[in-house]
Amino acid sequence: GQQVMQIPQYQHVQEGEDFTTYCNSSTTLSNIQWYKQRPGGHPVFLIQLVKSGEVKKQKRLTFQFGEAKKNSSLHITATQTTDVGTYFCAGVRGGGSNYKLTFGKGTLLTVNP
Amino acid sequence: NAGVTQTPKFRVLKTGQSMTLLCAQDMNHEYMYWYRQDPGMGLRLIHYSVGEGTTAKGEVPDGYNVSRLKKQNFLLGLESAAPSQTSVYFCASSYLGYGYTFGSGTRLTVV
Repeated sequence: GQQVMQIPQYQHVQEGEDFTTYCNSSTTLSNIQWYKQRPGGHPVFLIQLVKSGEVKKQKRLTFQFGEAKKNSSLHITATQTTDVGTYFCAGVRGGGSNYKLTFGKGTLLTVNP
Repeated sequence: NAGVTQTPKFRVLKTGQSMTLLCAQDMNHEYMYWYRQDPGMGLRLIHYSVGEGTTAKGEVPDGYNVSRLKKQNFLLGLESAAPSQTSVYFCASSYLGYGYTFGSGTRLTVV
């Protein structure tokens, strides 16, 4: 079945440093979504990418979808303590049903103030 | 605007007991899902529904049953709880698969 791999599993940074998490799929994706889960909380939708090579920004967060639509990345510039949490990517297999996402295992980000 | 509401928030069961988790959404979403989250395992899909009266199995359906009798509600049942079902359960809903809205979760412990 479809697999979505995320690296790294954990990342600890000093406040102000940049952070990047990567997502790779074993199959071509029709779209990819990113979620953030604060410690003890629930996942919250951040963004969806659909087009090959697409880049979207939300303030200090930059999301990219690869040209082959098999990988994606989330980059945070100048991390803050409010960025702490687990970041999940989730993809829909190309040609597959759009209602069923496959989630990666997430990257846990901790920020030292 | 409540979004997705899950009840209960916490529950402790003895092995072999049964229970039902309730999920309610007020966004008129067609699609609803039940996930479990375990340390290091991410979010795994248990069952999902693409509309009232329809349900389908996800990747880890064994030991669970679901029902979607009303569009706004999606119930997850455990007929005979096992310690392996100790987990955090999340319900989610979406408009045509775009941007899931998750509930706050149910922490279930089976002893």
